[in-house]
Amino acid sequence: DTEVTQTPKHLVMGMTNKKSLKCEQHMGHRAMYWYKQKAKKPPELMFVYSYEKLSINESVPSRFSPECPNSSLLNLHLHALQPEDSALYLCASSQQGQLLNEKLFFGSGTQLSVL
Amino acid sequence: GDSVTQMEGPVTLSEEAFLTINCTYTATGYPSLFWYVQYPGEGLQLLLKATKADDKGSNKGFEATYRKETTSFHLEKGSVQVSDSAVYFCALRDPGGYNKLIFGAGTRLAVHP
Repeated sequence: DTEVTQTPKHLVMGMTNKKSLKCEQHMGHRAMYWYKQKAKKPPELMFVYSYEKLSINESVPSRFSPECPNSSLLNLHLHALQPEDSALYLCASSQQGQLLNEKLFFGSGTQLSVL
Repeated sequence: GDSVTQMEGPVTLSEEAFLTINCTYTATGYPSLFWYVQYPGEGLQLLLKATKADDKGSNKGFEATYRKETTSFHLEKGSVQVSDSAVYFCALRDPGGYNKLIFGAGTRLAVHP
């Protein structure tokens, strides 16, 4: 199984809602990532977890709250988002996060619209 | 900081045409370089990579050579197919660790029969 599975595929939420994005992999990878991709732009790194510990936070606003409950799961909790947060949110995983030239495996993303 | 610059698209080609997508980078040291492809409605897939100068990455008929002298990593394919239509991202690995990738802006390729 070389898949990274993201749910839901599409999400529409209001600015006062609380929602969560879910990411799952069963490749035994110990590093997991959240990227944000605005329309027609490249992906930008948000967070990196390595061995279930937050290793990188790219100065992401606190309305985005990541969680890594175990090595196979990664969540992104959303609260009080703004319309400009509308984007494709991509999850990825890799073997450890620090080895040279690890391959990243990406999920197909959650397309988020904030109204 | 490190950065990647790609040629602007879209690139429109007829089937069996030759493809070149230019990519140059700015970095301290010698980062690993990658090409990722994103098909409509999907996430990114690693297409090929090169880890040191003069390395050639290749996959599915695509090739790119790591040129230290010109800080380039241009993507080429001798004969494109309609199924190659996608967005192509050049990227480098940030030397700071944790497999952080810095992507170029992406180049959209449209191949017509």
